[in-house]
Amino acid sequence: DSGVTQTPKHLITATGQRVTLRCSPRSGDLSVYWYQQSLDQGLQFLIQYYNGEERAKGNILERFSAQQFPDLHSELNLSSLELGDSALYFCASSLIGGLETQYFGPGTRLLVL
Amino acid sequence: KNEVEQSPQNLTAQEGEFITINCSYSVGISALHWLQQHPGGGIVSLFMLSSGKKKHGRLIATINIQEKHSSLHITASHPRDSAVYICAADGGYGGSQGNLIFGKGTKLSVKP
Repeated sequence: DSGVTQTPKHLITATGQRVTLRCSPRSGDLSVYWYQQSLDQGLQFLIQYYNGEERAKGNILERFSAQQFPDLHSELNLSSLELGDSALYFCASSLIGGLETQYFGPGTRLLVL
Repeated sequence: KNEVEQSPQNLTAQEGEFITINCSYSVGISALHWLQQHPGGGIVSLFMLSSGKKKHGRLIATINIQEKHSSLHITASHPRDSAVYICAADGGYGGSQGNLIFGKGTKLSVKP
C-alpha cells in the first residue's frame, strides 16, 4: 500500500459527460502528479501540483483540468468526454516534487461508452 | 522515434534465470526511474537513479549517463516477478523535476 488513495476505482460514463477523479496523497507529501495510461499511448504525464499551485503541465487536453486543495488532495476534472478518454488515470505523490521517488495510487479506470 | 525506448517488449524466462531489461533515452535527464506494474494495474516505484548503480534485494539498476542507457537486472527470477517493467526519464530541471517521460514497458513472464 503506497499510502496514496484514489476514488473511484472504476467509472463508466457516456460521451459528452463530465467526471471528477479524486486523489489523496501520502501523509506529508506536498506534490501531486496526474498520469493517463491508455492502450495506444501508454503512460503520459498530465499535470503536477505542488502545495496548491500548478507546477508543470504535460499532455493535458483543454477539456481536462485539475486542482489541488488546501488539504492537499487533488481532483482531475474531465469534461466533454470522448471514447478515446477511456484509460487508467493514476495519481502519484512525492514529498516536494523534485528528484525523488513518486508513490502511485491504485488508479481510476474510466470507461466512456 | 520515442524519447524513451525499452527492449525487449516481451520477455519470457524460466524461474531462476538472470534477466536484463534495457532502456535508452534521447533526452537530457536529471534522473531515470524504474517502475513495476502488476497484472492488476498497480504501479510501484523500484528505483530512481541519476548515476551509477542501485541494488534492492534481487533487483539491480544501472545507468550510464554518457551513453544514455539504463538496465534493470533481476537475479534468480521468480514467477512473482512477472509484471510490466517501465522506465521513465525525468527530463525536468529545477522546479519541473518529476514530470516523467515513459517507455512503453517490458512485459516479463517468469515460468516455474
